[in-house]
Amino acid sequence: NAGVTQTPKFRILKIGQSMTLQCTQDMNHNYMYWYRQDPGMGLKLIYYSVGAGITDKGEVPNGYNVSRSTTEDFPLRLELAAPSQTSVYFCASSWVGEGNSPLHFGNGTRLTVT
Amino acid sequence: ILNVEQSPQSLHVQEGDSTNFTCSFPSSNFYALHWYRWETAKSPEALFVMTLNGDEKKKGRISATLNTKEGYSYLYIKGSQPEDSATYLCALGGAGSYQLTFGKGTKLSVIP
Repeated sequence: NAGVTQTPKFRILKIGQSMTLQCTQDMNHNYMYWYRQDPGMGLKLIYYSVGAGITDKGEVPNGYNVSRSTTEDFPLRLELAAPSQTSVYFCASSWVGEGNSPLHFGNGTRLTVT
Repeated sequence: ILNVEQSPQSLHVQEGDSTNFTCSFPSSNFYALHWYRWETAKSPEALFVMTLNGDEKKKGRISATLNTKEGYSYLYIKGSQPEDSATYLCALGGAGSYQLTFGKGTKLSVIP
C-alpha cells in the first residue's frame, strides 16, 4: 500500500515553461487536495476534488489547473511558470471531506522557477 | 478564510521535559480541528482529528484537548524525546467547507 505518491521530487523550471506535477493514491479516497508550502507560511490550498470529474478552487488557484479523470489521479498543471510559484507542493487525500478525516500527504515536490 | 494561530512559533526543550503548545481559532463556524506532526524532509502525518468540545485524544506520550467555545486546542508532549523534534501543525475545518486552514506551525527541538 503506497498511499499518496507524488512525482517528481524536485524540478527546476525556467520562467514561462509548463509542467505537470503528478499525484496518485491507492487508498480509494474520494477527496484529493493540492497544497503549497512557502517559508514562514502555513500550507495553502490550491485546488481540491471531491470525486472523479469534480474539482474546485482553493485559496490560491491562480496560475494552476487540475483535472480528476479517475479516483486515483489528481495532476496539477502549471501553464506559464513564474518565480512566485517557487514552492514545495504537497498532494493529499482523505476518506471523507469537510474535515472529518485526516489528510494523507505525499512526500512533496520542491519546485524552483528561475 | 479562517484565521488559525499557533504559539509559540518555535521552542527548545531538554530531553525529558514535558511541553505544550497552543492552536487558536475562531469559535464560530467550527467543524473539526486537526493536529499533524511534520518531520524535516518528510510529509505531515496526522496525529488527531477532534470534532467535539471537550474532546481529549492521546497517542503514546502525545495528547490534545479541544475547547470549541473559546476557540483553542492544546497539544501536550510528556517526557520529550529527541525523536519528537518536528513541526506540529494544527488545521481547522469549517462547517460546510471542504477546505482545511492550516496554522504556521510550532517547531519543536528537543535537546539530548
